[in-house]
Amino acid sequence: RKEVEQDPGPFNVPEGATVAFNCTYSNSASQSFFWYRQDCRKEPKLLMSVYSSGNEDGRFTAQLNRASQYISLLIRDSKLSDSATYLCVVLTGGGNKLTFGTGTQLKVEL
Amino acid sequence: DVKVTQSSRYLVKRTGEKVFLECVQDMDHENMFWYRQDPGLGLRLIYFSYDVKMKEKGDIPEGYSVSREKKERFSLILESASTNQTSMYLCASSAPRGSKNTEAFFGQGTRLTVV
Repeated sequence: RKEVEQDPGPFNVPEGATVAFNCTYSNSASQSFFWYRQDCRKEPKLLMSVYSSGNEDGRFTAQLNRASQYISLLIRDSKLSDSATYLCVVLTGGGNKLTFGTGTQLKVEL
Repeated sequence: DVKVTQSSRYLVKRTGEKVFLECVQDMDHENMFWYRQDPGLGLRLIYFSYDVKMKEKGDIPEGYSVSREKKERFSLILESASTNQTSMYLCASSAPRGSKNTEAFFGQGTRLTVV
């Protein structure tokens, strides 16, 4: 089983739609969780950290469920500019190893 | 602003050559990472380092070595380049466990082609 698993997509959604991505992780000792965004031919950039209580940043909401070992990302009112690959990232290995999921591709269409 | 700089954006090397990929960060981060990214496989960790002269194998270390002689610099070495090492290589740095912010910051990537 992979340490971090994501549905690769692609998710094709119309502009204005709400879309949700899930990610599961295998190591129950994982400590920190993040969502990154990667545009085509660019490096990944932090979208948001994921906290136990859940957190929101504008149209983006991240949730963590430690009991079921998954994290989620919800994007409301999708924009064309949200089209990208979204990477789930987990901090393990004593707190120093960052493991990435393979990413979920989102395409927002007119 | 955190800056992670990789020495080259594009490299073309011949099979059997020894290849050095350099990465420098300016945020005094303890942790540094080398990943490769291939279509359908995502980012796979090659090696990481949590301190000067310290290194740990990631998930795919075979055919690679690393060097961390100074805190700000982390080098990836392909001892004898092979065509299956053609890939995008990404360097990252982060603050250690217990820090307020532990997210990773990436360099712009090096697209290596081995012919």
